[in-house]
Amino acid sequence: GENVEQHPSTLSVQEGDSAVIKCTYSDSASNYFPWYKQELGKGPQLIIDIRSNVGEKKDQRIAVTLNKTAKHFSLHITETQPEDSAVYFCAASILANLFFGTGTRLTVIP
Amino acid sequence: GAVVSQHPSWVICKSGTSVKIECRSLDFQATTMFWYRQFPKQSLMLMATSNEGSKATYEQGVEKDKFLINHASLTLSTLTVTSAHPEDSSFYICSARDPSGGVTTDTQYFGPGTRLTVL
Repeated sequence: GENVEQHPSTLSVQEGDSAVIKCTYSDSASNYFPWYKQELGKGPQLIIDIRSNVGEKKDQRIAVTLNKTAKHFSLHITETQPEDSAVYFCAASILANLFFGTGTRLTVIP
Repeated sequence: GAVVSQHPSWVICKSGTSVKIECRSLDFQATTMFWYRQFPKQSLMLMATSNEGSKATYEQGVEKDKFLINHASLTLSTLTVTSAHPEDSSFYICSARDPSGGVTTDTQYFGPGTRLTVL
């Protein structure tokens, strides 16, 4: 099955700085890569996603890049704000089943 | 985005009792729903895939007789934890796949989760 690795497990940045979270996947059949933000005691919220036919996608302060050859994708958050503090999960999808990374706890220091 | 609700948001029960958790897609019809379990500071673990009108598909290691899943309509799936024990205490999260988006059929929208505590 698919194996998704995510790094780092924790990340602290100063408010206004950028944050980058990286994930790798093992199965080249994966074709959809969503990112979820999970706040304490809540369910994951889809924040951005990318499909295998696209290399980069941006939505305001959030961007995702995908390198199919290397089988890795990354989440970029610019101009971080305290409300960006949460756990972020990457995932890879094969046949509509999601395989999650282990999560990154992002802390934005005011 | 699409909205998925869960009820209850938290529940405390005695060991040996059964607990039912509901998952509803509020503004779309979900032919497929998923049930996940999440332990503190860990990732989501898929328990089962629920298809409307058919039996759920359980992941390896998940006891289907203990975690009963019913997907009776296109907007409702239920998870019943039978004869709950303290080790079943966890955060249970459902998600629903919206098939109306065409190429976005992989997209899963998650509910807010249900925290189960078994005493």
